[in-house]
Amino acid sequence: KNEVEQSPQNLTAQEGEFITINCSYSVGISALHWLQQHPGGGIVSLFMLSSGKKKHGRLIATINIQEKHSSLHITASHPRDSAVYICAENTGNQFYFGTGTSLTVIP
Amino acid sequence: GAGVSQSPRYKVAKRGQDVALRCDPISGHVSLFWYQQALGQGPEFLTYFQNEAQLDKSGLPSDRFFAERPEGSVSTLKIQRTQQEDSAVYLCASSLGGAGGIAYEQYFGPGTRLTVT
Repeated sequence: KNEVEQSPQNLTAQEGEFITINCSYSVGISALHWLQQHPGGGIVSLFMLSSGKKKHGRLIATINIQEKHSSLHITASHPRDSAVYICAENTGNQFYFGTGTSLTVIP
Repeated sequence: GAGVSQSPRYKVAKRGQDVALRCDPISGHVSLFWYQQALGQGPEFLTYFQNEAQLDKSGLPSDRFFAERPEGSVSTLKIQRTQQEDSAVYLCASSLGGAGGIAYEQYFGPGTRLTVT
């Protein structure tokens, strides 16, 4: 059974802090996705990666294929970053999602 | 350009009613996925279409759930004889491709929140 585990489940940070969210998966993947979900349900794809590292603005995603582990980093966090961050493994046509990390950034 | 749209955004159904949820994917997107997201949980895969072909329906929880995409664009998820445990947000996503293990970015719709009373 594919299992995707995220940590921490909940995270509260002060504005400006560096944030790390971790994701472990259990099987070989085509890609690992990081998604952002705001209250009300809308999901936005942040990154899709199968190796190495990607950066977009203040967001950085890394993946270690050998260790089946990925991290999402947010630099200089801001209250507007408050959301649920979900990682999902893509294996063929299947997607398996973690339960998400709920991030609250306090001004 | 237009993203993925879903309708209705909210649906309240009495237990035992049938419901139909619609997804309009991004034009030209080959792949379409349906997910179920319970409160406080991550989405769970229900079914996958490549064009009009339903290639995977392993995630559909029971035979009361049925999905179709007859012309390879709009898709409908139908739930017959709804039960309280069907209450969830139903998300649709589309992508350019997805066959053969090649990964493509998914674009999500806003979801339909179904409440069964």
